[in-house]
Amino acid sequence: AQSVTQLDSHVSVSEGTPVLLRCNYSSSYSPSLFWYVQHPNKGLQLLLKYTSAATLVKGINGFEAEFKKSETSFHLTKPSAHMSDAAEYFCVVSDQSYNKLIFGAGTRLAVHP
Amino acid sequence: GAVVSQHPSWVICKSGTSVKIECRSLDFQATTMFWYRQFPKQSLMLMATSNEGSKATYEQGVEKDKFLINHASLTLSTLTVTSAHPEDSSFYICSGLRTVNTEAFFGQGTRLTVV
Repeated sequence: AQSVTQLDSHVSVSEGTPVLLRCNYSSSYSPSLFWYVQHPNKGLQLLLKYTSAATLVKGINGFEAEFKKSETSFHLTKPSAHMSDAAEYFCVVSDQSYNKLIFGAGTRLAVHP
Repeated sequence: GAVVSQHPSWVICKSGTSVKIECRSLDFQATTMFWYRQFPKQSLMLMATSNEGSKATYEQGVEKDKFLINHASLTLSTLTVTSAHPEDSSFYICSGLRTVNTEAFFGQGTRLTVV
């Protein structure tokens, strides 16, 4: 069985400071991992995905994530937060066929001036 | 990326009535579509998986007679909430999968309020 744990329900940062959103996964086989962002009352936008290629994955809007098998982690980072980054972020795991996506509980990122 | 469109984006209905939500893949053929439900400030919970031309597969605890899913074509899936009650009020999101081993694309969601 697969599962995802997002370690922080809320993260608050100042504009211009680094962002770290933590995610740990559990999977009985080599997982595919994703980070999605959701702005209020909107659908989901894919930030980045890991599919067993490079362990450091670069995504849109300056975000990146590193797959660490030894730590079963896939933390999302960004060097410098913008006000527009304030949103809900979901870490997601799926099997290789993408047939079922398992969502983490989400982390709400607040960015203040 | 590919585009998935949901309609309506929001709907208010009376208790006891039925509501239909459409999910369309605009620029690709979705062999598989997924329906999710999201309660306020919570994560997405998969309700069902539908493949074009066959019956949907529902997740445990989801009433198939209450949440009717039809995937009649490769570009359209519909979710009908039958005899809606206030507890059905939620944000419903669909996603489409082009083929196996490809990315799922999400619609913008539908906010259902049952009064």
